[in-house]
Amino acid sequence: ETGVTQTPRHLVMGMTNKKSLKCEQHLGHNAMYWYKQSAKKPLELMFVYSLEERVENNSVPSRFSPECPNSSHLFLHLHTLQPEDSALYLCASSQGLLANEQFFGPGTRLTVL
Amino acid sequence: GIQVEQSPPDLILQEGANSTLRCNFSDSVNNLQWFHQNPWGQLINLFYIPSGTKQNGRLSATTVATERYSLLYISSSQTTDSGVYFCAVVDSGAGSYQLTFGKGTKLSVIP
Repeated sequence: ETGVTQTPRHLVMGMTNKKSLKCEQHLGHNAMYWYKQSAKKPLELMFVYSLEERVENNSVPSRFSPECPNSSHLFLHLHTLQPEDSALYLCASSQGLLANEQFFGPGTRLTVL
Repeated sequence: GIQVEQSPPDLILQEGANSTLRCNFSDSVNNLQWFHQNPWGQLINLFYIPSGTKQNGRLSATTVATERYSLLYISSSQTTDSGVYFCAVVDSGAGSYQLTFGKGTKLSVIP
């Protein structure tokens, strides 16, 4: 248990569906991250929020839309995804940016049919 | 951007054996973390070690920042040590905070 939870743990969706992934951290951190882990590829950073402001968007397609309503919660809204978006989506948090240790949630395994 | 290379990519050990995993990185860093990813995908923090040496039970790690490498030692391996071990770094370039991951070392410990 790392203090970061994610729901759902598994998600299967069609290309026309809209769904959301949720992340919650109980560590009192003020920075949160979304990462994507595809088969055979290293983890890739998608989005970063610090103090509820987005500070990083690594050329992620607009069909992925993040939301950070407060420092403890992070969402990833999904719509009109493609089969190649099937992956493990990991949330992480840290106290501040700039080299501070990051702690990860258990991930949501997403399958797009 | 910074490059992170891990070796070996795959490792098979007999239970009880020792092993050393290596992580090389191409630029100076101000964060280096080792993770163990279990079969369910959970990334478990092992060490936060931008420099120096740390030990935690059967695991220890050493980072030689000036030579741009880190080593993870696993002693008396157990089947529960199986999984993928990742090294991840943050480039010490101004304003950088992105964790860049290596491709991992897949460890299989057999009874």
